[in-house]
This record gives sequence, C-alpha cells and structure tokens, in this order.
Amino acid sequence: EVQLVESGGGLVQPGGSLRLSCAASGFTFSTYAVTWVRQAPGKGLEWVSAITASGGNTYYADSVKGRFTISRDNSKKTLYAQMHSLRAEDTAVYYCGLSTGRTVEGTNYWGQGTRVTVSS
Amino acid sequence: QAVVTQEPSLAVSPGGTVTLTCGSSTGVVTSGHFPYWFQQKPGQAPRTLIYDTTNKHSWTPARFSGSLLGGKAALTLSGAQPEDEADYYCFLSYNGAGVFGGGTKLTVL
Repeated sequence: EVQLVESGGGLVQPGGSLRLSCAASGFTFSTYAVTWVRQAPGKGLEWVSAITASGGNTYYADSVKGRFTISRDNSKKTLYAQMHSLRAEDTAVYYCGLSTGRTVEGTNYWGQGTRVTVSS
Repeated sequence: QAVVTQEPSLAVSPGGTVTLTCGSSTGVVTSGHFPYWFQQKPGQAPRTLIYDTTNKHSWTPARFSGSLLGGKAALTLSGAQPEDEADYYCFLSYNGAGVFGGGTKLTVL
C-alpha cells in the first residue's frame, strides 16, 4: 500500500526557513517522480514543485521559484522541500504526492499533508 | 503562467448526470496536457479520480469518467450519489509546470 507521510510543518516568521519531509513506503520510491502541492486555508489546490525519479530534473511554480528547493534521497525513500524567504502567502497545508501517470507534475497518490503557518 | 478555468459550482440531482469542464487560457486542452481530476471532501486530502485524460484508479467509482469535450477536459458523473458532493479540481500540465483549476463545488440535491 502506498503511504506518504509529511512532516516538518509548523509556525515560522516571515522571512524564515523551513524544511518539509515526506517519507514514502509501499512502492519503489526511486522509480517515480514526486510532487508537492499546497492548499491555503479555504482556498484551492496549488501545484508547487515536482522532481523526477532520479532527481536530475526539478520543476517549480513561479510563486516559489528561487525560494523553494525540492530534493530527494532515494536511499532514504524521502522527499524534501527546503523553503526560504517565507511569506504570509506561503501559509498552507503542503501535500506530498506520487506521480504514476505520464507527466512528472501530476499527482496520483497523496499524503495527508503538513501545515505551514507563516506569521509573526 | 496559464490559467485553468472550471465552473465555480454545479448541482445535480441524485441519480442524475453532470459534466464538469476544465479549460485553458492558452487554448484547446489536449491529451498533451495530461488532464487530471481530483475529488476533495471537507477536512480530507484530495483523491485522484482521473489521470491522463481518461485513466481511472482502482478506487475511482465507475460512474466517473474523463474525456476531452469541446476543447476542454471534462469529468462526467453518471448516476450521482449523495457521497459525490464535494469539491472537484482539474489539473493540466504545461511542459514542466502544473496548474490546477479553481475547483467546482458540486452539490447533490
């Protein structure tokens, strides 16, 4: 059974940094692209980032480009999102996702999410 | 960045049929956008219903189907059930960038 468990969320001040993690199990992590999607309180879904199976290619939404870095450790079956220069508008639940379709950016399986709050 | 548009809200009667659509500001939606459809209920993580235009997951009820219709991606629900009341989001891929639609709140009444 595919399982994706996010961690690392919390309260951070504007301008601060945070690293999210996503522990994967139930599938061969190293053979699939994985994604981050977020949802601000009361709002819709926003695609954030994706990384290919090998980690060789990464993709970002314009809203986070230059501030967020997606990475993965296939030996640990873990996905990361390093977030810098956080803003109030980054406040959201962040979902980790597994992509098993034909496009790297899509999300087929979802974690339960971790909440990030950017506030002073 | 492209804008993906969905109907803000739709209503369907129990047992009825409804089609949700997903348009792109860049023009016609094609299979090359690899359309996805997601269902989200309050307080829950999203669930993927349809991917790559028409493909279903093992958990996708048979009453849901995906297609391309009139230049848009479409999600058709045939034989709506009360438990289908939820928010539905579409997603399109743009060569290394993904964009979600704003969501459709579907009411079954």
